[in-house]
Amino acid sequence: GAGVSQTPSNKVTEKGKYVELRCDPISGHTALYWYRQSLGQGPEFLIYFQGTGAADDSGLPNDRFFAVRPEGSVSTLKIQRTERGDSAVYLCASSLTGLPADTQYFGPGTRLTVL
Amino acid sequence: AQSVTQLGSHVSVSEGALVLLRCNYSSSVPPYLFWYVQYPNQGLQLLLKYTTGATLVKGINGFEAEFKKSETSFHLTKPSAHMSDAAEYFCAVSDPGSTSGTYKYIFGTGTRLKVLA
Repeated sequence: GAGVSQTPSNKVTEKGKYVELRCDPISGHTALYWYRQSLGQGPEFLIYFQGTGAADDSGLPNDRFFAVRPEGSVSTLKIQRTERGDSAVYLCASSLTGLPADTQYFGPGTRLTVL
Repeated sequence: AQSVTQLGSHVSVSEGALVLLRCNYSSSVPPYLFWYVQYPNQGLQLLLKYTTGATLVKGINGFEAEFKKSETSFHLTKPSAHMSDAAEYFCAVSDPGSTSGTYKYIFGTGTRLKVLA
């Protein structure tokens, strides 16, 4: 079946601009996660959705970052006033229920470059 | 707070040799443990996971890992390396006792495996 998809695969923007990154999880998965992977690092947690609600946004670095999942499926990560330090690969993952033994399935990521 | 340590950011082995990638975690409660592989320009793919039960876990592509509570380790092994195993490998943990209800992964910094012909 279809896996997690993310668009765009690459995004280049200028400092100060607004960007949106999209994630399509596996159909039927209620749990959705966003992670950020900087060069040479492992992915770091940003935000977790259970259904439509953001159950845990403790990993968002500041208020320039925001994410939504209005219908409990597709999610959009929004970054305002981008900074060069926001350059990274943004990964989305989904799991069936969000329970701890569930496997998280990852998308290929969106590589964001802020010039 | 939980943390994951992967010793060796780069590991080189000869084709046919044993692969050993190390992962140690710090947690007062045994976590759930995962190994993922990342090929260039691809997403993370699950190799294997330990939640409960048998501590020796077999995964895809001939990999296996053993959970050792006394050593707080979950090292990944493969008896004989293949050229196609060249990739980056990440160890991750989640806290089954999380009071927040969020079972996010905490990742190590990764180990890049190079397989020499």
